[in-house]
Amino acid sequence: GESVGLHLPTLSVQEGDNSIINCAYSNSASDYFIWYKQESGKGPQFIIDIRSNMDKRQGQRVTVLLNKTVKHLSLQIAATQPGDSAVYFCAEIAYGNNRLAFGKGNQVVVIP
Amino acid sequence: DAGVIQSPRHEVTEMGQEVTLRCKPISGHNSLFWYRQTMMRGLELLIYFNNNVPIDDSGMPEDRFSAKMPNASFSTLKIQPSEPRDSAVYFCASSLRDSPLHFGNGTRLTVT
Repeated sequence: GESVGLHLPTLSVQEGDNSIINCAYSNSASDYFIWYKQESGKGPQFIIDIRSNMDKRQGQRVTVLLNKTVKHLSLQIAATQPGDSAVYFCAEIAYGNNRLAFGKGNQVVVIP
Repeated sequence: DAGVIQSPRHEVTEMGQEVTLRCKPISGHNSLFWYRQTMMRGLELLIYFNNNVPIDDSGMPEDRFSAKMPNASFSTLKIQPSEPRDSAVYFCASSLRDSPLHFGNGTRLTVT
């Protein structure tokens, strides 16, 4: 895509394997977290979210884990498919604040 | 639902020219956001509106940038005069209250 690329951490995963993408956040006041997927030439697309009163949330083939103690967020994708190839961003927001702050992104490349 | 609609998809202009980017948010959404994405700085929030009112424009780079939201279904981001360093992908996003942001597919701006 035109906006992401050369210097992003890259995860190469075999089709059918599970993927884990990690994200560290810095603001201890953040209480709402979102994972976005961005494919080439498109805008970020919502995948899954989690609030700070939870430590795990599951969606279809995706699971988000939140560890507030170490300010860490992860996204697990089960049975990774070629269509999962994209850049994945974590984003955080603090209660009462509408400013969604994005991380740098992680490139996932699925090998058929 | 057509999603967030941005126009144009691509804009190439010469330094010094005025550029206007347009956004139609999802119907019923009451918040609208303008982001800029570059390889160097990732996704940066420029400005956001609640109920058509600008709430936080601290991310707007300088006076050359301005944004308006004359009604709930339309917003513009204007750069006058444009400079080569403004080259980036500009995203518009909308949301309803505390729901996740929905992004458009962006406008790729190239200033020569």
